[in-house]
Amino acid sequence: AQTVTQSQPEMSVQEAETVTLSCTYDTSESDYYLFWYKQPPSRQMILVIRQEAYKQQNATENRFSVNFQKAAKSFSLKISDSQLGDAAMYFCAYRSARTGGFKTIFGAGTRLFVKA
Amino acid sequence: GAGVSQTPSNKVTEKGKYVELRCDPISGHTALYWYRQSLGQGPEFLIYFQGTGAADDSGLPNDRFFAVRPEGSVSTLKIQRTERGDSAVYLCASSSWTVLNTEAFFGQGTRLTVV
Repeated sequence: AQTVTQSQPEMSVQEAETVTLSCTYDTSESDYYLFWYKQPPSRQMILVIRQEAYKQQNATENRFSVNFQKAAKSFSLKISDSQLGDAAMYFCAYRSARTGGFKTIFGAGTRLFVKA
Repeated sequence: GAGVSQTPSNKVTEKGKYVELRCDPISGHTALYWYRQSLGQGPEFLIYFQGTGAADDSGLPNDRFFAVRPEGSVSTLKIQRTERGDSAVYLCASSSWTVLNTEAFFGQGTRLTVV
């Protein structure tokens, strides 16, 4: 069975600085998708960034980028120029690419604090 | 609608009672998912619908939990004989069935408290 591990329950960053959130996963599959979701106090999960496992190039979305290390099964999220609005829970997630594999497995989350 | 809508936003019920949680997905989305998020945890998969049928219900914890989607749009998660351990946020998400890497859009969840 696939698992997702986030070893940092909490992280803190100064406004305008850079922070990296860690995520490791375990799977025997070769084709899958990885995600980072943001969950603010409103509870709505918002997709931050997505990575297809077959792509070697790391995904980037504005201030958000990932470091995808497939052999090491590592998928970290880097937030540059942190803003107060980035404060939230962040969840790393895995989804199989097999047909019908829409079940998404989430890590336990990392709470990010942004200090002014 | 513009997004995934879940009602009620909060629900408090007594142990042993029956509850229904409603999810209204984005119009035209054929795939719908239910997740349960316990305090301090990530969402845990419960069930996935493709159209009207449950394509994967392997996450339902026991037979007290049941979900329906009779017309392929609105879905209802039903919990019988509620227990205090059922207290959690229940999240619903929907996506279109075009390619497997399509994005799922989440609602704001229903916070269920069993007292």
